[in-house]
Amino acid sequence: KAGVTQTPRYLIKTRGQQVTLSCSPISGHRSVSWYQQTPGQGLQFLFEYFSETQRNKGNFPGRFSGRQFSNSRSEMNVSTLELGDSALYLCASSLGSGAADEQFFGPGTRLTVL
Amino acid sequence: AQKVTQAQTEISVVEKEDVTLDCVYETRDTTYYLFWYKQPPSGELVFLIRRNSFDEQNEISGRYSWNFQKSTSSFNFTITASQVVDSAVYFCALSEASRWALNFGKGTSLLVTP
Repeated sequence: KAGVTQTPRYLIKTRGQQVTLSCSPISGHRSVSWYQQTPGQGLQFLFEYFSETQRNKGNFPGRFSGRQFSNSRSEMNVSTLELGDSALYLCASSLGSGAADEQFFGPGTRLTVL
Repeated sequence: AQKVTQAQTEISVVEKEDVTLDCVYETRDTTYYLFWYKQPPSGELVFLIRRNSFDEQNEISGRYSWNFQKSTSSFNFTITASQVVDSAVYFCALSEASRWALNFGKGTSLLVTP
């Protein structure tokens, strides 16, 4: 069974630009979560989608948004990039049945904002 | 509010030593789930174990063991006879039943030297 895939793996952008990251979950998984990982703040929850609906949202500004498609693939978008948005963005998928679900993580997209 | 504390930022041991990684959590929920994840240098988070709040039984899996104590809100992880391949960052995480989101600790970086 293929794991969680994320594209692209690396991105370099400049301040003010916007970026879209993509995540393909494990086949059969209906929940996709996004996390931001930085050296200073660690791993922080961004949002979670299930059946195309956002069920949970972390404490991030509105510049961070996401969506999920009918095939469970998900995208997250960051607009008006700031230097502090440089991070590893991790996507995780799970069956979506509840908080006890094991989440399977992808390799991440490393975003560098110059 | 929920919070996970991993007080040990970095630990260095020599191969074959036993090592315990500490995790203390805070939550007001009575139903919650605790997780440990491993992040090797490649960056991908790997699931190690999940425990629910009603199951305080300790668990052993090979060289790994986990000690869950609700009385002290701790969920500690012990590696017996450590090996170089155990070198990684280990994260403890908490998920409340009402919220599909992992709240991670800051992680403990474990270095095992030959």
